[in-house]
Parts: sequence; structure tokens; C-alpha cells
Amino acid sequence: DGGITQSPKYLFRKEGQNVTLSCEQNLNHDAMYWYRQDPGQGLRLIYYSQIVNDFQKGDIAEGYSVSREKKESFPLTVTSAQKNPTAFYLCASSPQGITTGELFFGEGSRLTVL
Amino acid sequence: AQSVTQLGSHVSVSEGALVLLRCNYSSSVPPYLFWYVQYPNQGLQLLLKYTSAATLVKGINGFEAEFKKSETSFHLTKPSAHMSDAAEYFCAVTKRSNDYKLSFGAGTTVTVRA
Repeated sequence: DGGITQSPKYLFRKEGQNVTLSCEQNLNHDAMYWYRQDPGQGLRLIYYSQIVNDFQKGDIAEGYSVSREKKESFPLTVTSAQKNPTAFYLCASSPQGITTGELFFGEGSRLTVL
Repeated sequence: AQSVTQLGSHVSVSEGALVLLRCNYSSSVPPYLFWYVQYPNQGLQLLLKYTSAATLVKGINGFEAEFKKSETSFHLTKPSAHMSDAAEYFCAVTKRSNDYKLSFGAGTTVTVRA
């Protein structure tokens, strides 16, 4: 089945540690996105990539990093510089921008900092 | 910059009653508008979208929304609520000139009473 796979589903981290969240898609979509979801705040865009080897900062990129070496993969690293990393992280993809179609979302990764 | 306001963070309806979720947007240019649904601990799924065709948009699961430019609104309705409609609903907007960035509302949680 085509879709977006995020892993791990649940992740616990100690303060000061970097963690990487995986996002893989087999939809052959050009664009990929990372959102952060906090209760009562909706989704906020962290990074997005329109094409391989290119990505742009979203609204809350500080403390995060990404790479886009392959069309299928868009991993997100939550660094120790992110002051409040506990959240639900959602990866998404779209064929060529949002207006030509829709965003397809993964099941999410819940990160908890202990 | 465009933004979205969802009125009411929580809506409770009886099974069989009308569901009405309110969304107002601010945009300096004609927008594209979307409604997404999220079930617990899952990603988001597109319900419907407005991209400048008909102002009344029909989506999945019996939902529909009407674009009213004069009121800058895009309210979501369903004539008769079902228990399976219990979820969180997000309104989102993007400018046609920048279709790689969606702005999401804070979300409205729907509870359905038997």
C-alpha cells in the first residue's frame, strides 16, 4: 500500500540528547513536510522540502534540522537546542505543492523528554 | 500573512444533530481552504477543499463547507452527527502564490453524545 511511514511511534529522550525521527513515503511525491502539534495550537510547520537536496525553514525551525538526500525520505532531527521538544510530530507529503492536491500525513511520532 | 481562526475549541452534539464547526480566515489574496480530520493518535485526513470552483464544497463522510468571501468564512457542517464523527477537526488556508505552506487553525474537538 502507498503511504507515509513514520518511526518510531513513541520516543523518550533525556534532556541534552539529539533524536532523529524517520519519515518515508512511497507515493512518489515531490514535496515533504514536518509539522509539530501541541494541544490547542494546531499544527505548526517546522521544515518543508519541495525537491531532493533542497529544504526551507518553516515557522518554528529553531532547534530542528532536516535532510532530503532521497525523494522518499525526509528525516527530522530534534537537537538539544530545542527548548521544549515534547510534542506530537507529523510528517506529510504532497505531489507538487498543496493546491494541486492534498497533504498526505503519516501516523505521527510522539516525543517525550524525560 | 494568512491565518485561520476556529471558533470554539470543543463542540458537543447529540447523535443525529447538526454539526457546525466555524472557521474564519484572513488573507490578502483569494485563498485555498481546507478541512482536515484527525482521530486520536493518528495523522490528519483531508475532508474537503475549496480551490475557487463551486463555493459549496462536498467532502467525505457527509461533510460539506461553504466559502463566503463577504464573511471570510469557511464553516464545516454535517446534517446528522454519527458517533464515528468524534474527532478533532482543523481548518487550514494557503495563498495561491505560495502553495507549499499551509496555516492551520487551533482545531475543534467534536464529541458526539448518544
